[in-house]
Amino acid sequence: DIVMTQSPDSLGVSLGERATLTCRSSQSLLNRSNNESSLAWYQQRPGQPPKLLIYWATTRESGVPDRFSGSGSGTHFTLTINNLQAEDVAVYYCQHHSSPPITFGQGTRLDIK
Amino acid sequence: QVHLVQSGAEVKKPGASVKVSCKTSGYTFTGYYLHWLRQAPGQGLEWMGRIHPKTGGTDFPQKFQGRVSMTRDTSISTVYMELIRLTSADTALYYCARQKYAFGPYYFDHWGLGTLVPVSS
Repeated sequence: DIVMTQSPDSLGVSLGERATLTCRSSQSLLNRSNNESSLAWYQQRPGQPPKLLIYWATTRESGVPDRFSGSGSGTHFTLTINNLQAEDVAVYYCQHHSSPPITFGQGTRLDIK
Repeated sequence: QVHLVQSGAEVKKPGASVKVSCKTSGYTFTGYYLHWLRQAPGQGLEWMGRIHPKTGGTDFPQKFQGRVSMTRDTSISTVYMELIRLTSADTALYYCARQKYAFGPYYFDHWGLGTLVPVSS
């Protein structure tokens, strides 16, 4: 199974600043058929189910603010949140959507500093 | 508007089974895979498998093969997940989630609110 590792485990960022979250995979997630990487990001606010933010590493889900952006390829990925807002406090998970079984990272908890 | 409504919490004893339902609405039930995932208290997410509502076809990760089953009732747009031989390690919040595209990769654009299953003697 592909192992997903996120860093840091927790992160405090001031309102209006930028948050940078990292995810690494134990194998390349590059899909040869479309030259994109099979990586999704989710936001899970307290007491809520996860919410899809990004898929194919860089494609923003409909309705997600453009403050959220995904980057990276292969085995190293980043979720960047610009202009941090109070409602961004959550745990963020990366997930590979390459061949099953799909697996998730352990999560990064994002708080306001 | 897509909705996935799950059944209520169930307390179980070790060795028992649990069956959780997920009733869908707002889209063509038979057009999209539905998946089950779980989240142990304070932990991350774990994929348990999926079912295609039209065919009933399923696939599960090796970890759950032989212990999980997934079924559907197309007349009421509902899928079910049953897990047998429960242990305390199965204590978790169980989610159903819809695969975003009918065919293709497993990522999930709509989720139920979760069903809590504590397993304790």
